[in-house]
Amino acid sequence: DIQLTQSPSFLSASAGDSVTITCRASQGPGSYLAWLQQKPGKAPKLLIYEASTLQSGVPSRFSGSGSGTEFTLTISSLQPEDFATYYCQQLKSYPITFGQGTRLEIK
Amino acid sequence: EVQLVESGGGLVQPGGSLRLSCTASGFTLSTYWMSWARQAPGRGLEWVANIDQEGSETYYVDSVKGRFTISRDNAKNSLYLQMNRLRAEDTALYYCARYYDGSGADDAFDIWGHGTMVTVSS
Repeated sequence: DIQLTQSPSFLSASAGDSVTITCRASQGPGSYLAWLQQKPGKAPKLLIYEASTLQSGVPSRFSGSGSGTEFTLTISSLQPEDFATYYCQQLKSYPITFGQGTRLEIK
Repeated sequence: EVQLVESGGGLVQPGGSLRLSCTASGFTLSTYWMSWARQAPGRGLEWVANIDQEGSETYYVDSVKGRFTISRDNAKNSLYLQMNRLRAEDTALYYCARYYDGSGADDAFDIWGHGTMVTVSS
């Protein structure tokens, strides 16, 4: 199984800041790496797939990068609506797995 | 509008059964792999099962193998999850999701329903 570990688990930032979330995989998932956003009481929403491709309709302040076993999600110029929990997900092999999540809170 | 709507959740005793449904609209279900995922209260996301377009290929997380069965009826635009021998640890919000199976590494759960809650308790 490919285990995904996100860091940090909690992040406090202010509107306008830039933040980076890291996802480390126990085995390389190739580019089969996605990032999702989940707001309280809502379903997850796809932000990025194939490690760095922005899903249609997602603002360009979100970006993904990485290769091998280390991937990052960067949010530049945080907006109030960006405060949420973020998950990485690997779709390279079964079982499909998620990181434990990073909760982004307003400072 | 592309949409997935889950139903069938509820309170069930340990050892009991429940069948979840997911109705798709706004797209042709038969052209997509589909998935179930779950989220226990206050916890993270966990993938549960996948099914191919024809229903001939299925995959499960180890913790549900032999107890849960994913199936579909493309004519009814519906996805199902039959859950047997339920345990307290199966308590979660169950989501169905459209699995985009791209030609390269562009696989993704691109559309999610709002979920249906399953509570396993005596």
